[in-house]
Amino acid sequence: GAGVSQSPRYKVAKRGQDVALRCDPISGHVSLFWYQQALGQGPEFLTYFQNEAQLDKSGLPSDRFFAERPEGSVSTLKIQRTQQEDSAVYLCASSQGLARETQYFGPGTRLLVL
Amino acid sequence: AQSVTQLDSQVPVFEEAPVELRCNYSSSVSVYLFWYVQYPNQGLQLLLKYLSGSTLVKGINGFEAEFNKSQTSFHLRKPSVHISDTAEYFCAVTPVNNYGQNFVFGPGTRLSVLP
Repeated sequence: GAGVSQSPRYKVAKRGQDVALRCDPISGHVSLFWYQQALGQGPEFLTYFQNEAQLDKSGLPSDRFFAERPEGSVSTLKIQRTQQEDSAVYLCASSQGLARETQYFGPGTRLLVL
Repeated sequence: AQSVTQLDSQVPVFEEAPVELRCNYSSSVSVYLFWYVQYPNQGLQLLLKYLSGSTLVKGINGFEAEFNKSQTSFHLRKPSVHISDTAEYFCAVTPVNNYGQNFVFGPGTRLSVLP
């Protein structure tokens, strides 16, 4: 596709519900990143994939957060038993693979946990 | 570990005036530096990046930034701003020896251009 897309754009969940956030990266991009952006703050790294391999998940805040990219393209970030502190914008980005490469960001999914 | 400081959380400026958005970083290893912009209800997009070579980097929409290694700074400048430059600006760094996963953003500076 022309850019990184994310769905849904908005998600309201009741505390305790599971949610799944989808990211479609730019075709051919090796690297895929997930970030969490709290209101009024900069994005914070969650996890990184190189093709289908999850090489770094050091930013995931708890074991309720799980990400996958089974075929090396589309990725899903799953949050189990959502809590109010999970409310944030979740950003996905993709790049061609090296640190010097530009990361292209999707519009984000705004999650509100009530 | 790396960290990024953007001391100005909000910068109001009149249209056609110059602006400087400040960014300082801390890192024990060599880093690449980036400025991203986030327009309202849009995703982040790259303004410019410093990889190596000339310390003055030019980006899109008339922005430029200067890398100063001794002061560990990467300030963003524009000589004359437009209303359309109103947005959130983020400075970011990542170590040169990885694949971008240690991408650390600053807290952002909200630029408001006033008519």
